[in-house]
Amino acid sequence: AQSVTQLDSQVPVFEEAPVELRCNYSSSVSVYLFWYVQYPNQGLQLLLKYLSGSTLVKGINGFEAEFNKSQTSFHLRKPSVHISDTAEYFCAVTINTNAGKSTFGDGTTLTVKP
Amino acid sequence: DTGVSQDPRHKITKRGQNVTFRCDPISEHNRLYWYRQTLGQGPEFLTYFQNEAQLEKSRLLSDRFSAERPKGSFSTLEIQRTEQGDSAMYLCASSRAGITDTQYFGPGTRLTVL
Repeated sequence: AQSVTQLDSQVPVFEEAPVELRCNYSSSVSVYLFWYVQYPNQGLQLLLKYLSGSTLVKGINGFEAEFNKSQTSFHLRKPSVHISDTAEYFCAVTINTNAGKSTFGDGTTLTVKP
Repeated sequence: DTGVSQDPRHKITKRGQNVTFRCDPISEHNRLYWYRQTLGQGPEFLTYFQNEAQLEKSRLLSDRFSAERPKGSFSTLEIQRTEQGDSAMYLCASSRAGITDTQYFGPGTRLTVL
């Protein structure tokens, strides 16, 4: 079975500073990797996904993530955060079966301070 | 494209009562997923449908839970004889048929069992 570990439950950062949210996964088979954002009282929204090809993936809102197969990691980064980036971020994996169901990490709360 | 909608958004019930939630997916999406999210954790897969067929159910889905998707359109999730441990956010997502296709999430139904 696959699993996802988000290494930081909370990340406080000042506005315009860079940020990295860390995600490690475990799986015996190939996986697809995703990052979602959840704003208060809203559903999850896809930020970016890695399916194959280039290991550096760019997403919406200036976020990017890098897939590292040897370290089984998929860390999310943004060079300069805004107050509006304050939200819960979830890393998820999907194994290559017909189901397409995702296994999620427990989330990282990003708080951007002025 | 009106997005995924869920009804109700909030449900408070007494232990032992039955509850039913509805999910309306994006109209052209073949796949529909149900997840459960408890406080401080990421979403956990419950079940999914390809059109009207329920193709997989998680071990988390006890006999008290049942889901349907008649005619491959909207879906309902029913919980019979609710328990306090059922209190959670129930999320619905839909996607096209491919497992790498983006899952679009609804806002969720928050269930509180007293």
